[in-house]
Amino acid sequence: QKEVEQDPGPLSVPEGAIVSLNCTYSNSAFQYFMWYRQYSRKGPELLMYTYSSGNKEDGRFTAQVDKSSKYISLFIRDSQPSDSATYLCAMSGQAGTALIFGKGTTLSVSS
Amino acid sequence: GAVVSQHPSRVICKSGTSVKIECRSLDFQATTMFWYRQFPKQSLMLMATSNEGSKATYEQGVEKDKFLINHASLTLSTLTVTSAHPEDSSFYICSASVRSGANVLTFGAGSRLTVL
Repeated sequence: QKEVEQDPGPLSVPEGAIVSLNCTYSNSAFQYFMWYRQYSRKGPELLMYTYSSGNKEDGRFTAQVDKSSKYISLFIRDSQPSDSATYLCAMSGQAGTALIFGKGTTLSVSS
Repeated sequence: GAVVSQHPSRVICKSGTSVKIECRSLDFQATTMFWYRQFPKQSLMLMATSNEGSKATYEQGVEKDKFLINHASLTLSTLTVTSAHPEDSSFYICSASVRSGANVLTFGAGSRLTVL
């Protein structure tokens, strides 16, 4: 079993839809959870950062972490064509250590 | 915000040559930088952790003699792909931790290496 599992998609939705992306993980030591967005041929950019369990909201984006289930989610409300990208979940244990990434989910939002 | 600059963004080289990729933190000091590799439609795979003033720590399966990492200053880490072969063609991305005590990584734009 891989440390981080993420459905690669692709996921296609119409503009305005609510998008749900998620990852599961196996390492109970993970404490830091992040979502990155990556456009084609570019480096990943940080979208959301969460420490331990809980929810975090930033504009149209909501990140949820359920450590008891080892499950994290990213919700995108009112999706826009500009949201079309690959979304990568990432996590790690101790501060200062490298991130372990999921495979990434490719999202396409059509206008 | 914090910026990590990576250069070159694209490089094409002949098999057997060496290629150097630079990663710079522009407005912050990075004692630790991470080098990742990404194949098409695949996730980022950690290659090595680069520590300023000491030897890099390589992940299992990554050849340290092939992927030379130097972190000579708090703002610069370099990755040299030595004697490159076509199978080394990939997208190489560096990153650095911006916030002390947190695990937020800022990534460079990546370097696409094509070995002919």
